Amino acid sequence: LAKTTQPISMDSYEGQEVNITCSHNNIATNDYITWYQQFPSQGPRFIIQGYKTKVTNEVASLFIPADRKSSTLSLPRVSLSDTAVYYCLVGGRGYQKVTFGTGTKLQVIP
Amino acid sequence: GAVVSQHPSWVICKSGTSVKIECRSLDFQATTMFWYRQFPKQSLMLMATSNEGSKATYEQGVEKDKFLINHASLTLSTLTVTSAHPEDSSFYICSAARQGAYEQYFGPGTRLTVT
Repeated sequence: LAKTTQPISMDSYEGQEVNITCSHNNIATNDYITWYQQFPSQGPRFIIQGYKTKVTNEVASLFIPADRKSSTLSLPRVSLSDTAVYYCLVGGRGYQKVTFGTGTKLQVIP
Repeated sequence: GAVVSQHPSWVICKSGTSVKIECRSLDFQATTMFWYRQFPKQSLMLMATSNEGSKATYEQGVEKDKFLINHASLTLSTLTVTSAHPEDSSFYICSAARQGAYEQYFGPGTRLTVT
């Protein structure tokens, strides 16, 4: 299972763009990169997933360099409601188990 | 689509009793479901992988006789905490895998408090 490393915490002011980077040096060829958001006492919520280059949806962008050994989740113009823990997961098909890292606790400041 | 529910959302039980937690995939069939445990201010820890119609695969250090997992149908997996003790108090989260997808879909979690 690929191990991931993220910063433990980050602070950002409201309205700013936030970039959270995840390192996954031993990513396998068939692995996808998925980011989840978790609020206290709730299950993780899917944010975005990608395999290579750039992926964008209505809430975030995901940047993956050519070597795929890292990835960056970009949240545009964060608000207080984006305060949460963000997890980067690396794995194959959904039926294959994954390992959660420490996650990044994002605190948005007014 | 891809909604996973858990029941109950919270439960309080006395030490020595057993409690069952249900995980359902509401709008898709899940041949594989996972059970996680999360202690306060910590990350999710995988407890076991549950495959429909077969025995669950437990992670190292997880007591299979204490945490009984049943995956009797393609939409339901249950976790039974037997002879619960206060140290079993935690947030239990399940996830389900949909065929063809690369991500897991997580339930809302169940808060277990053992008194």
